[in-house]
Amino acid sequence: KAGVTQTPRYLIKTRGQQVTLSCSPISGHRSVSWYQQTPGQGLQFLFEYFSETQRNKGNFPGRFSGRQFSNSRSEMNVSTLELGDSALYLCASSLVRGRAREQYFGPGTRLTVT
Amino acid sequence: TQLLEQSPQFLSIQEGENLTVYCNSSSVFSSLQWYRQEPGEGPVLLVTVVTGGEVKKLKRLTFQFGDARKDSSLHITAAQPGDTGLYLCAGAWGAQKLVFGQGTRLTINP
Repeated sequence: KAGVTQTPRYLIKTRGQQVTLSCSPISGHRSVSWYQQTPGQGLQFLFEYFSETQRNKGNFPGRFSGRQFSNSRSEMNVSTLELGDSALYLCASSLVRGRAREQYFGPGTRLTVT
Repeated sequence: TQLLEQSPQFLSIQEGENLTVYCNSSSVFSSLQWYRQEPGEGPVLLVTVVTGGEVKKLKRLTFQFGDARKDSSLHITAAQPGDTGLYLCAGAWGAQKLVFGQGTRLTINP
């Protein structure tokens, strides 16, 4: 099976712009989660989508939004970019096996805001 | 807020030495995972543990889940430079979101 793919891998934007990141989960996985990773804060949960519905949401401002399509592909959008939004954005698709919830991550999109 | 604390945050040792990384919480998990992340890549799932007291081995890596399902450890025997990376533990409560620890950055020097 192909793994989780994310596009683009690298992105440079300026403050005030907006950006859209894309994620294609592993075939058959219906849950997609997004994380922001920075050296200072570690891996922080943004939101999770399951069957096109947002199921969980982290503590991020409304500038961060997402959606999921009927084929389980997901996009996240960040509007009015700030310098502090520079980070590695990771997408993960999930499989729940009994009590365990396992996530499979993509390689990430490295966003730099200047 | 459910928190996961990992220790140590940084560890640098010589090739061939043994090491243990810890993951602790005051909450009881339904499952816990360990991931390894290399620079520029996403985390890769190493193991999932679900039963209190469970021990799993992956070559030179041994993972243990605490009896009360609140903590876990990762032990590496005879560390090699290829073990270098960021090790993350993540706890789950049923089908809810995973919560990640801050990670342990491990460096194995040749």
